[in-house]
Amino acid sequence: DSGVTQTPKHLITATGQRVTLRCSPRSGDLSVYWYQQSLDQGLQFLIQYYNGEERAKGNILERFSAQQFPDLHSELNLSSLELGDSALYFCASSVVGDQSTDTQYFGPGTRLTVL
Amino acid sequence: QKEVEQDPGPLSVPEGAIVSLNCTYSNSAFQYFMWYRQYSRKGPELLMYTYSSGNKEDGRFTAQVDKSSKYISLFIRDSQPSDSATYLCAMSANQAGTALIFGKGTTLSVSS
Repeated sequence: DSGVTQTPKHLITATGQRVTLRCSPRSGDLSVYWYQQSLDQGLQFLIQYYNGEERAKGNILERFSAQQFPDLHSELNLSSLELGDSALYFCASSVVGDQSTDTQYFGPGTRLTVL
Repeated sequence: QKEVEQDPGPLSVPEGAIVSLNCTYSNSAFQYFMWYRQYSRKGPELLMYTYSSGNKEDGRFTAQVDKSSKYISLFIRDSQPSDSATYLCAMSANQAGTALIFGKGTTLSVSS
């Protein structure tokens, strides 16, 4: 158990809908990262927050947005969902937020299925 | 050309075998190299971390980085069935705002 929690574990929804994925980082970690994992693309970095502020942005679609709240939990919002958004979404956390030197601890993931 | 290339396998070996997992990359700015292990339906966990070139050993695991060839390897000695997982390489250039770039992962199966 990494100490990172994600809810829900599974999400099934329809095209065009909007969903929110939630992540609670390990105690003491200030940085949260969101990743998307699909069979064809592998693990892709989406976005990083550090202590409430956006720190780095990856291949995140405009239909997706995220935020980190004062209690450091984070939410990833996915809207106007398409079939291709079906994937595993992971949250990770780290202490400082330096992607090169920090150890990132990954949560168990949320499996999103868009029908 | 993708920034990080990794053979997806699957790789099947008998228990006790030495396993070699590899990644190649194209960005010469990468300086930090990691190997993550991901069990089925779980999140990745960090196995090994190496800065720049050279070797690093931790128990049965050895990570090697050859920056001149843009090639990194993970060796697993005396492989065990519990090593059966997907192994992801990851690397970073440590420039402000840059992210870890992951390989697609190699699936390893160790049979007893």
